[in-house]
Parts: sequence; C-alpha cells; structure tokens
Amino acid sequence: NAGVMQNPRHLVRRRGQEARLRCSPMKGHSHVYWYRQLPEEGLKFMVYLQKENIIDESGMPKERFSAEFPKEGPSILRIQQVVRGDSAAYFCASSRSPVSNTGELFFGEGSRLTVL
Amino acid sequence: AQTVTQSQPEMSVQEAETVTLSCTYDTSESNYYLFWYKQPPSRQMILVIRQEAYKQQNATENRFSVNFQKAAKSFSLKISDSQLGDTAMYFCAFMWDRTGANNLFFGTGTRLTVIP
Repeated sequence: NAGVMQNPRHLVRRRGQEARLRCSPMKGHSHVYWYRQLPEEGLKFMVYLQKENIIDESGMPKERFSAEFPKEGPSILRIQQVVRGDSAAYFCASSRSPVSNTGELFFGEGSRLTVL
Repeated sequence: AQTVTQSQPEMSVQEAETVTLSCTYDTSESNYYLFWYKQPPSRQMILVIRQEAYKQQNATENRFSVNFQKAAKSFSLKISDSQLGDTAMYFCAFMWDRTGANNLFFGTGTRLTVIP
C-alpha cells in the first residue's frame, strides 16, 4: 500500500515563474492537507481539501497561492509568480476521514521549492 | 492560534541510553490531541505517538512513551534504549478535538542525535 506520494521532490524556479506541486494521497484517503515548512521551523497549515472541494484555506496566502483536488488525479498546490520567500518544503498529508475524527495524518516526503 | 513550544533546539544521547524531549503548549480547550512526529533526514514526517487529552494514562509505543501533565500543559517524549535510527528532528504537535478542527499546530522541533 503506497504512502502519500509527492512530486517533484525538488523544484527550482526563478522569481516570477510558476510552481506546481502534486500530491497523491494514500489509497482510500479522500482528505488532503498541505503544510509548509520554512527552514528551522515547524510545519504550518495551509489548506485542507476533499475531492473537488476546498474545506479550509485559512492558512494559505490570499495572493498567488491556490490549491485543488479534482475528482480524478492528484491534488495540486500552485504558486504563481514565485518570490524568494516562497522557498520552503511543502508537505502533503492525507487521511481516510477528517483529521478531527482521528487526529492522525499520513505525510508524504515533501517537495522542496527553491526560488532563485 | 495555539502555541506549541519546544525549548530544546538540539539534544544528543548515547546509543542505548534514555533521552527525554520536552514540549509545552498553551490552550484554553479541554479536549485535544497531542502528537510527536519524527522527521529523519529523508524529511518524511512519521507519527511516533499520539495522546488524547481526556485519557489520563500516558501513551506508549514500544521504546517511546510520553509524560502527559495536563494541568501543567506539558507533553514530553521519552525514548528508551536509543538507537542510531532515532537520529532525527522531533516535532511536538497539537490539534483541537472538535468537529471542524482541520489542522495541527507544530512546535519548532528538537534535533536529536544518537551517538554510537
């Protein structure tokens, strides 16, 4: 049973370009969460999605950031017009039911974005 | 937002010895979950142990156990018989136990090195 799969593992972009990060949840999981980790910091919640719906995007910047989880295919975190401050590791996590039910998330290995 | 504090940025322990990592948190809620996650060099976040706040008994998972002091809002992790594979960043995390709670709040982490 494959775990949470994220790609790419490493992504380099120049300022002003777009970054697209993909996340395939564990089999049978329909709840996806995105977290961002800045250097030497803990993870910070960005957005929570179920299939085709954004449930909670309270941690995601209003500008330039968007997320989706279509009916078919992986969840996508998209960052437009990247700036150096976007350089971070972006982690995806999934769960079978809302995390508030069980308190347990399964994390992927993260995607490290570097903005030059 | 809830506050999770890990006051030990780095710790080391001799192989086979015992080490305790500290964590304190601040909340006015009475129902919540607490977690310890491990992040090895591969960067994947791995759940080590979970504690429900309503349970008085401290959680244990093999060599890992917690000392949960609800009144003091303290949640320390004890690792017994430390192994080289325990070398990693350890993050303490908090989540409300209520419908609509969608995210974990993480501390800044403790880097643990197990010395051969």
